[in-house]
Amino acid sequence: DAGVTQSPTHLIKTRGQQVTLRCSPKSGHDTVSWYQQALGQGPQFIFQYYEEEERQRGNFPDRFSGHQYPNYSSELNVNALLLGDSALYLCASTRLGSDNEQFFGPGTRLTVL
Amino acid sequence: KNQVEQSPQSLIILEGKNCTLQCNYTVSPFSNLRWYKQDTGRGPVSLTIMTFSENTKSNGRYTATLDADTKQSSLHITASQLSDSASYICVVSVENNRLAFGKGNQVVVIP
Repeated sequence: DAGVTQSPTHLIKTRGQQVTLRCSPKSGHDTVSWYQQALGQGPQFIFQYYEEEERQRGNFPDRFSGHQYPNYSSELNVNALLLGDSALYLCASTRLGSDNEQFFGPGTRLTVL
Repeated sequence: KNQVEQSPQSLIILEGKNCTLQCNYTVSPFSNLRWYKQDTGRGPVSLTIMTFSENTKSNGRYTATLDADTKQSSLHITASQLSDSASYICVVSVENNRLAFGKGNQVVVIP
């Protein structure tokens, strides 16, 4: 079991560009959540996907969108990048109906110049 | 105001010494509380999980306590090692599978 995997590991973009981050959940998990973690801060919830639909959303603008595929993998898309979008983006997976334990991936470090 | 407050924000301890990290939360209803360890630039890894009916949970040299009445939790690290240098994040699980995160306690263990 590879656990939660994310790609790419690091990414550098410039302001105004668009980025797509990818996540594969832990085997047996069907729910994927995305978090943004700024340096020195705790993770901030972006949104959660289950059954290929966005089920919950945090306080993030529409520039942040996502997708979940039938195999439960997920993408996070960010349009019109801002300098403030520079952060570690974490993906976490869980199985709905379990004890809510979320397993985190290693994260994608996004730097916006 | 953050729903999960952690203290101290950071601390430096000598290798072999013990330390205790604090977490106060205001979220309700409450499902469970977890402590995660996050190495720099990596994803958080779960250390302990406690439901409201549990008072203590151990994982090796890590011992977490929970007082659901006062909404306080602590994480005690015994005989610290250099590899304990990390951020320790208190996470409270609320309804609808949502999590409330603290900002973390940054621990630095020095030889």
